[in-house]
Amino acid sequence: DAGITQSPRHKVTETGTPVTLRCHQTENHRYMYWYRQDPGHGLRLIHYSYGVKDTDKGEVSDGYSVSRSKTEDFLLTLESATSSQTSVYFCAIRDSLDHEQYFGPGTRLTVT
Amino acid sequence: AQKITQTQPGMFVQEKEAVTLDCTYDTSDQSYGLFWYKQPSSGEMIFLIYQGSYDEQNATEGRYSLNFQKARKSANLVISASQLGDSAMYFCAMRYKGGSEKLVFGKGTKLTVNP
Repeated sequence: DAGITQSPRHKVTETGTPVTLRCHQTENHRYMYWYRQDPGHGLRLIHYSYGVKDTDKGEVSDGYSVSRSKTEDFLLTLESATSSQTSVYFCAIRDSLDHEQYFGPGTRLTVT
Repeated sequence: AQKITQTQPGMFVQEKEAVTLDCTYDTSDQSYGLFWYKQPSSGEMIFLIYQGSYDEQNATEGRYSLNFQKARKSANLVISASQLGDSAMYFCAMRYKGGSEKLVFGKGTKLTVNP
């Protein structure tokens, strides 16, 4: 199994508060991704990173920002959480030589 | 725009029988890839199988095979000899735009294996 963890695993927060989710990998993979999963939508890409300090937007990036200051960590920040951001968030990693992405265990975020 | 369609919200199969989960895709790219992931009730996403658009042979991984029909733009997952542990959500996904290899996912099919 890929060495990928997410923290926290569960979080409940109030509307308007900032939230940061962390993805940590021990595989030294170049690529990292953040997805959200909602009923009826499958997984949708929020942001991704193709190296330290190199990030780009996915299909549902509004309201989210990311940072990657070192290879092993990819942070997803909700600057001011809204109820529409209640979701399960998955991080994924990929090696440069492979196509498949390996997913972390997910973070369940509830915004009340 | 890239799109994945899974038309079967739910499927049922008897233990030890084979089952096919449908996936069609839409892309104008010449180079792309197709994946299947499994999500059991515990929530993790498990990579099952991958097929590249230039691969001439259908991909196989143990009891999983990907029936790739390029002209029809379909990439169906075939699970042989179903087991109770195969009960899960199954997602088809497509990579696009080379380089960073972003994925677009279908909405999934819930497979239930009956004893």
